[in-house]
Amino acid sequence: DAMVIQNPRYQVTQFGKPVTLSCSQTLNHNVMYWYQQKSSQAPKLLFHYYDKDFNNEADTPDNFQSRRPNTSFCFLDIRSPGLGDAAMYLCATSREPTPTGEQYFGPGTRLTVT
Amino acid sequence: DAKTTQPNSMESNEEEPVHLPCNHSTISGTDYIHWYRQLPSQGPEYVIHGLTSNVNNRMASLAIAEDRKSSTLILHRATLRDAAVYYCILRDDRKLIFGQGTTLQVKP
Repeated sequence: DAMVIQNPRYQVTQFGKPVTLSCSQTLNHNVMYWYQQKSSQAPKLLFHYYDKDFNNEADTPDNFQSRRPNTSFCFLDIRSPGLGDAAMYLCATSREPTPTGEQYFGPGTRLTVT
Repeated sequence: DAKTTQPNSMESNEEEPVHLPCNHSTISGTDYIHWYRQLPSQGPEYVIHGLTSNVNNRMASLAIAEDRKSSTLILHRATLRDAAVYYCILRDDRKLIFGQGTTLQVKP
C-alpha cells in the first residue's frame, strides 16, 4: 500500500547532540510537511516543501532544519536538541498545495531528549 | 488563519450517532472547513471537508450552517474505533493549522 513511512518510530538523543528524523513516501506527492506535537497538544506545523521549494513557519526555531533530496524523502534535522524539543514529530504529504488537498500523515517519531 | 472553537470533550454510546460541533464565526469566504481525527498513538487522518454545502463520505457527514459560522461533523453510528481527538480546521491555503480539538470517548 502507498503510504508515509517514518523512521525510526522512537528516537532517544542526548541534550545538544544533533539528531535526524526521516520520512519517506510512496505516494509521489509534491508537498511534504513536518509537524511537532508535544504531549496533550495539537500538532504544530514547522515547515513544508512544495517540490524543492522550502517554506518555513515564522515561529519555527532556527534549531530545526529540513532537507528534501528527492520527491520521496524528507529529513528533519535538530541541530542541538533541548529538553523542550521532546515531542512526537509527524510527517505528512499532499498531492498539491491547495486548500482542498488531503494530507496523509505518517505514524510519527517520538523523540526523547536525555 | 481564522480560529475554530470546539468542546474539549464529548461522550457517546457505541452504535449511536455523534454530532461534533465547531464554531468558526470569523470564517472568510475562501476558507474550507476540514475535519481530521487522531486516534491514540497515530498520526492524524483526514475525515471530510466542505465549503458551503453539506458533504457525505464513507466515514462521516459534514453539516455546514447557512451562514457558515458553524459546522457539525456527524458520525452516524459510533464504534469504539471512533474514539479519537477530532480537529475542525479552517483552511484557505496549503497548510493545516490545528486547534485543540474535541476528545471523543465512545462507551460500549
